[in-house]
Amino acid sequence: GENVEQHPSTLSVQEGDSAVIKCTYSDSASNYFPWYKQELGKRPQLIIDIRSNVGEKKDQRIAVTLNKTAKHFSLHITETQPEDSAVYFCAATPLGDSSYKLIFGSGTRLLVRP
Amino acid sequence: DTGVSQDPRHKITKRGQNVTFRCDPISEHNRLYWYRQTLGQGPEFLTYFQNEAQLEKSRLLSDRFSAERPKGSFSTLEIQRTEQGDSAMYLCASSNRTSGSYEQYFGPGTRLTVT
Repeated sequence: GENVEQHPSTLSVQEGDSAVIKCTYSDSASNYFPWYKQELGKRPQLIIDIRSNVGEKKDQRIAVTLNKTAKHFSLHITETQPEDSAVYFCAATPLGDSSYKLIFGSGTRLLVRP
Repeated sequence: DTGVSQDPRHKITKRGQNVTFRCDPISEHNRLYWYRQTLGQGPEFLTYFQNEAQLEKSRLLSDRFSAERPKGSFSTLEIQRTEQGDSAMYLCASSNRTSGSYEQYFGPGTRLTVT
């Protein structure tokens, strides 16, 4: 089955700097890769996603890149702000699995220092 | 609020007791998922429904766990004879596959503590 690895587990950046979180997946059939942000005690919120037919997607300060050959994808946050502090999870779902269940990475705790 | 809702938000129970959680998905969403999240980890898939049919169950879902979605709307997750290892956040998510979307929207979760 699919396995998703995420790193780093913690990331501390200065406000205004960029943050990059990386994930690798094992199942080459995976075709959908969402990123979720989870603040303490709150629900995971979808912040951006990408499908396998796209190499990059951007939404304001957030971008995701996908390298299908290497089976990895990354989240890029530019001009970080204190409110970006949260735990970020990547996930993948395999094309051949009709459930479209999400297989999550273990999370990255991002701290943006003011 | 038209998002996914879950009830209760917190549940403390003694080992051996039964507990039941409820999830109300976004109204037009035909798919409903249950995940379990332990501290410091990402959510892990437990089971999912398409309309009222339960189509897949994870190996994580022992015989003590049962889930239903009787009318294809809300869902319940019951844990019988709870164990301390069941302590976790139980998350529900819904999606609308009929629109071709893969996006899953999560509820706030039910935090279960088994003492």
